[in-house]
Amino acid sequence: SQKIEQNSEALNIQEGKTATLTCNYTNYSPAYLQWYRQDPGRGPVFLLLIRENEKEKRKERLKVTFDTTLKQSLFHITASQPADSATYLCALDLSGSARQLTFGSGTQLTVLP
Amino acid sequence: DAGITQSPRHKVTETGTPVTLRCHQTENHRYMYWYRQDPGHGLRLIHYSYGVKDTDKGEVSDGYSVSRSKTEDFLLTLESATSSQTSVYFCAISDGEGYTEAFFGQGTRLTVV
Repeated sequence: SQKIEQNSEALNIQEGKTATLTCNYTNYSPAYLQWYRQDPGRGPVFLLLIRENEKEKRKERLKVTFDTTLKQSLFHITASQPADSATYLCALDLSGSARQLTFGSGTQLTVLP
Repeated sequence: DAGITQSPRHKVTETGTPVTLRCHQTENHRYMYWYRQDPGHGLRLIHYSYGVKDTDKGEVSDGYSVSRSKTEDFLLTLESATSSQTSVYFCAISDGEGYTEAFFGQGTRLTVV
């Protein structure tokens, strides 16, 4: 069956360090992968997407890699800040148009001051 | 937030009663989705719509029905609510054109007692 796993339910890091979150998937051949941020009591907010033919994508302090051979995406937040504390979700889309996003269960990141 | 409004934001209902949740968008996006979010399961797709009166099932559609009579409105109905349908429900939209993200509403917290 198709499955998406995010490396851990919770991750704590010190302010200023780089946070690395992992998203692994099985039995998919996704057209692209997306990362979302979710704060308590709110809906997910889109951060980045990366296509199957891209190895790396950056946006300010965020970096995403996508390895279709390993079936894995890594999401990095450099120079992390307490304001980065949130749950981060990866999502796969087989269609390329967000028509049927399948989400991982998320990793709750806490950045300690 | 993108122009998405979910109503109600909170609801408590009794087992066996019908419940309808409403999602209203002002973005004129073609695709609309209903997800539920439960601890340990992440976001799971219930139903989605790709146009007026065009809908399809998602991963966890049993016990739910949807309707879309206008581009801007997507209704989720629980015909006979059960305790297992206690959850947070999110509506999302996307334009479905190329590589685009989904925009989420604020969510509806439904408790079935």
